[in-house]
Parts: sequence; structure tokens; C-alpha cells
Amino acid sequence: GAGVSQTPSNKVTEKGKYVELRCDPISGHTALYWYRQSLGQGPEFLIYFQGTGAADDSGLPNDRFFAVRPEGSVSTLKIQRTERGDSAVYLCASSLSGNQETQYFGPGTRLLVL
Amino acid sequence: AQKVTQAQTEISVVEKEDVTLDCVYETRDTTYYLFWYKQPPSGELVFLIRRNSFDEQNEISGRYSWNFQKSTSSFNFTITASQVVDSAVYFCALDNYGQNFVFGPGTRLSVLP
Repeated sequence: GAGVSQTPSNKVTEKGKYVELRCDPISGHTALYWYRQSLGQGPEFLIYFQGTGAADDSGLPNDRFFAVRPEGSVSTLKIQRTERGDSAVYLCASSLSGNQETQYFGPGTRLLVL
Repeated sequence: AQKVTQAQTEISVVEKEDVTLDCVYETRDTTYYLFWYKQPPSGELVFLIRRNSFDEQNEISGRYSWNFQKSTSSFNFTITASQVVDSAVYFCALDNYGQNFVFGPGTRLSVLP
């Protein structure tokens, strides 16, 4: 079946604006993850969902970042009052059940805050 | 704390050479998983291998092989007879107590024709 998909692929916004990034995981995968990758670095964990609930949100940098997964499938990462430092590639991954299993990654959303 | 180190920032080789990418990890867990991912210029992370901490057997998949040594906390990746299509950034990752992955900084491999 299809892999993890993310929309939009690119997003340009102005400082202070609100953005939403969408992730559609592999069908049947209960675990979903968001990571952020800055230029020249490895992905950094943001938040992990098991079903509809956030099992671990310890990686969210501050309260401007929020994510939801209301029906246990699609997830939306929301960033309020964007700052230039939020510019990065936001990666979504999913795994079958989340317990130390392989995570499959989407193509990412490249966010640029001007 | 969980940590993954990839000391080689960039490596350049000529096609058909063998190349080894190093990965050293730190964890207090006795059961853990290690992974390698490839990130080609297109940007999508491609899964290569998953290894359980109890399985120290080396693994070979075509031109790829992995050497897991628990005694030195290393999980190195070798590409034999490298090809231009192997050019990418390679990430080693450690499962963080089943919650998420801790990634190394990556090694950029350039294979020149």
C-alpha cells in the first residue's frame, strides 16, 4: 500500500503566522511520530502518538507547538506565532504498534518562516 | 541518556571502493534496537536495517553489511563496491525506550564516478 504522506511538501510563511502540517500514516499503523530536521542535522523527536493520544510530547520545544490525531489516523502538527527559528523540515513517521518497531518516514514538509 | 555519535561528518570515495560508516551509541537499557536509514538528495528517509541488542551476528544484504559489537557499543555499516547511487546522508538511530528514535548527526557519503 501507500507509504506515509505529508502535505504540503513546502510551506512558506511570515513570522507570527499560524501553520498546520498534515501527516497521513501507513494504513493500520497505530503509532505516529513527528520529528524536526534542521539543515545538516539528524531528525529530532517532537511527539509520539499511540492511537489518538499523545504518549510522549516531551520533544515539543514550547507551547507554540501542538499536535493532534483525533481519529487515530491522520495527524496535524500546528505551530502558532511562527518564528524564523522554526524553519526546518518536519518529518512524520509511523510504525505498526510503536514498541521499538521500524518507523517508516514520509517525505517531510519543508517549512520556511520569513 | 541515550546518545548516538557518528564521528565522520563527510566521506568521499571513488566508485567501487569499499566504505565503512561508523556509529557509536550510549544507552542504559539492556534491551534496545539500532537502525540505519539512508537519506538521498530527495530527502525521504529510507529504512535499511533494524538490529536487536541480543543479536550480535553480523548481517549482509547484497553490497551492504553491518557489524554490531556490543562490547564497544558500535554498529558500523559497510558498503562494498560503492556506486554513485549510494551517495546520500546515512543516519544511525537508537530506539529510545520504545518511545521514539534518537538519531546521530549523520554521515554524508559522496561516491565519485
